[in-house]
Amino acid sequence: EPEVTQTPSHQVTQMGQEVILRCVPISNHLYFYWYRQILGQKVEFLVSFYNNEISEKSEIFDDQFSVERPDGSNFTLKIRSTKLEDSAMYFCAGQGLTEAFFGQGTRLTVV
Amino acid sequence: AQTVTQSQPEMSVQEAETVTLSCTYDTSESDYYLFWYKQPPSRQMILVIRQEAYKQQNATENRFSVNFQKAAKSFSLKISDSQLGDAAMYFCAYRSATYHSNYQLIWGAGTKLIIKP
Repeated sequence: EPEVTQTPSHQVTQMGQEVILRCVPISNHLYFYWYRQILGQKVEFLVSFYNNEISEKSEIFDDQFSVERPDGSNFTLKIRSTKLEDSAMYFCAGQGLTEAFFGQGTRLTVV
Repeated sequence: AQTVTQSQPEMSVQEAETVTLSCTYDTSESDYYLFWYKQPPSRQMILVIRQEAYKQQNATENRFSVNFQKAAKSFSLKISDSQLGDAAMYFCAYRSATYHSNYQLIWGAGTKLIIKP
């Protein structure tokens, strides 16, 4: 069964450093998403991506964030200069016919 | 804007008993999907069950079933014969069925389910 794969599973980075979170979505999905979940809080939508461009983004998704799909398979989320409050689980998801398929998440810890 | 509310931060149930998790939502749309996701300690997001708003019949998946009340905008999850492996955070989520929302999920705050052996 196809699945969404995220790497790394856990990343520790120093404040101010750039991080790139990677996702390989299911090949026939067209919509992709990044969600964030700060520990103990609800899941928050960051951005949706369709046809190689951002289709919608939330207020959280400021200039520090960017997404791209450079090679048609990997879907990346970049945080340019990490802050302590960026520490969270980041989930990639692809939209199937009815439900979203989630990766296992990347736990980002900013120290 | 759509909202999803889970009013129970935590629920506990004895193993083998039945438990119901509550979820209410607010929307002006008539066509949408509702989901329950399970998040175990590994923090992976696992789909438990899905309900299409146009279907009157409540969805069921083995020990999991929903009580979907469209007029009341209520979508509760019933877990029968609770097992230790059911212990997790459970999230209720809403998704529009129309394109304009880009199909993003709107999430509730989650309910932590504790199973007592």
